[in-house]
Amino acid sequence: AQSVTQPDIHITVSEGASLELRCNYSYGATPYLFWYVQSPGQGLQLLLKYFSGDTLVQGIKGFEAEFKRSQSSFNLRKPSVHWSDAAEYFCAVGAPRGGANNLFFGTGTRLTVIP
Amino acid sequence: GAGVSQSPSNKVTEKGKDVELRCDPISGHTALYWYRQRLGQGLEFLIYFQGNSAPDKSGLPSDRFSAERTGESVSTLTIQRTQQEDSAVYLCASSGGASGGYTQYFGPGTRLTVL
Repeated sequence: AQSVTQPDIHITVSEGASLELRCNYSYGATPYLFWYVQSPGQGLQLLLKYFSGDTLVQGIKGFEAEFKRSQSSFNLRKPSVHWSDAAEYFCAVGAPRGGANNLFFGTGTRLTVIP
Repeated sequence: GAGVSQSPSNKVTEKGKDVELRCDPISGHTALYWYRQRLGQGLEFLIYFQGNSAPDKSGLPSDRFSAERTGESVSTLTIQRTQQEDSAVYLCASSGGASGGYTQYFGPGTRLTVL
């Protein structure tokens, strides 16, 4: 069965510092992997995705993530955090089936950015 | 449309009443998904529709929950005899289209409060 683990419930970083949000997944085949961000009161916005190919993927807002099959991980990184990055971040693994793609989400990591 | 839209944005109801939540997917998207997000938690898959195939209802928590979709357009999620534990944000997403993409695009959600 597919599952996603985000071990960090809450992370606090200083503005300008680097960031890494952890994500580990369980899936029996090559996964489709996603990171979404959710600002307070908002829906989910796609940051980046990995389907195949280059294991380092670039996303919007200066985020990147690296797929490591040996570690079953897809960690999200940003070299310099901005105050506007404060939000909830969700990692998800997709299970393509019949042309659709049912997503399994982690429980999220809340990011707080301090001045 | 430009994105996924959902209505109403907020719904307050009394315990025992029925509610209907609406989702308008991105035009041309063949797949449509419903998720539930309880306060402070991740997303819980409820149901998805893919084209004319039978919907995957495996995530519906009880028979009080049902959903319909007209062709490849609007979907309605109905909760009968609402309970306080149904209070949550209900998110809709869509994917697919001419490119056959697996990326899900989310609406802003409907916040349901059951008193």
